[in-house]
Amino acid sequence: DAGITQSPRHKVTETGTPVTLRCHQTENHRYMYWYRQDPGHGLRLIHYSYGVKDTDKGEVSDGYSVSRSKTEDFLLTLESATSSQTSVYFCAISPRGSNTGELFFGEGSRLTVL
Amino acid sequence: RKEVEQDPGPFNVPEGATVAFNCTYSNSASQSFFWYRQDCRKEPKLLMSVYSSGNEDGRFTAQLNRASQYISLLIRDSKLSDSATYLCVVTKGGSQGNLIFGKGTKLSVKP
Repeated sequence: DAGITQSPRHKVTETGTPVTLRCHQTENHRYMYWYRQDPGHGLRLIHYSYGVKDTDKGEVSDGYSVSRSKTEDFLLTLESATSSQTSVYFCAISPRGSNTGELFFGEGSRLTVL
Repeated sequence: RKEVEQDPGPFNVPEGATVAFNCTYSNSASQSFFWYRQDCRKEPKLLMSVYSSGNEDGRFTAQLNRASQYISLLIRDSKLSDSATYLCVVTKGGSQGNLIFGKGTKLSVKP
């Protein structure tokens, strides 16, 4: 299995509070991604990173920010959580980028915003 | 037309059956195609890429029809362990972060 871990795995929080999800990899892969998965939708890209301090927005980036200060860590922050951000969040890593289709996903972080 | 469309299922089949999933995509510029598998409450995992000439991996066969913008996945001799949701994934060109995931087709294989 790819060396990728997400934390926390489960979190319940209240509207308006900040939340940070962490993705940690031991594979030294350049590319890292944050997706969310909701019923009735395919996986949707929030943000991605193509190197340390190099990040870009995905399809559903509003309300989210990211940081990558080290190759192994990619943080997703919800500055002020809303109920619409209740979702399962998946981090993914890729050795050669998403064009190859070769993404390795973490186990997911289930976030509930009350 | 949605970017990637799949029949949501569920497909309920007996063990040993052959089952086929279809997927259509809207962007004629898409270059690469994949099938992922996702078990219940687990992360998605790459099952196989889809090549223009079609490709096979054991009991799994993937086909691509660029003219019709259509991808298929055939599973022969279904096993209980094949029960999962199968996600069709298409690239849309451009920069990184360009994968479009379908909503998935759920398969349930019964004894």
